[in-house]
Amino acid sequence: DADVTQTPRNRITKTGKRIMLECSQTKGHDRMYWYRQDPGLGLRLIYYSFDVKDINKGEISDGYSVSRQAQAKFSLSLESAIPNQTALYFCATSPARGYNEQFFGPGTRLTVL
Amino acid sequence: AQSVTQPDIHITVSEGASLELRCNYSYGATPYLFWYVQSPGQGLQLLLKYFSGDTLVQGIKGFEAEFKRSQSSFNLRKPSVHWSDAAEYFCAVGAFQAGTALIFGKGTTLSVSS
Repeated sequence: DADVTQTPRNRITKTGKRIMLECSQTKGHDRMYWYRQDPGLGLRLIYYSFDVKDINKGEISDGYSVSRQAQAKFSLSLESAIPNQTALYFCATSPARGYNEQFFGPGTRLTVL
Repeated sequence: AQSVTQPDIHITVSEGASLELRCNYSYGATPYLFWYVQSPGQGLQLLLKYFSGDTLVQGIKGFEAEFKRSQSSFNLRKPSVHWSDAAEYFCAVGAFQAGTALIFGKGTTLSVSS
């Protein structure tokens, strides 16, 4: 089984809809991250959480919110989706101690029409 | 401000030829450096990492990278490219500090010609 899983893997939705992307991990890591990837822009950090009670905004948090339900679960929500949120979204984890090496999920491709 | 620059957006290399992907970073503290690869339709896989010690690090799939502090560079190399190496490659920098996350470059897409 994969260590970092994301659901759904693909999603098409309409403008204005609320969308939740979910991430689960079995690595036992405290730190979890959400990134979005756009062609030519690389990965940009949306939110990160260093433990269940510590959630921080990243570079591009506007229009997004997160919930850390447990050490193993970190969800990303788009309260009212807009077309420029069409992107590939990645969840990642890393251990609390060490050098920030991150382990990535397979990604969720989101299309907002 | 911390940043990572990958100057080459797209590189095409013949199969069997050598490869070098460039990465330059700007970071005030001692950097920890990573190269990730993303194959089409896949997530990111760690190729190699540099934390300290020997500045030439070996990774998976025959890749290596050299850390040059004087040039603020961490270039990725492979002596002989295989068609399966076609992918997007990302350089990233981080630090061993609380409250930090990785900073990624914008990526270099590698195409392999036969």
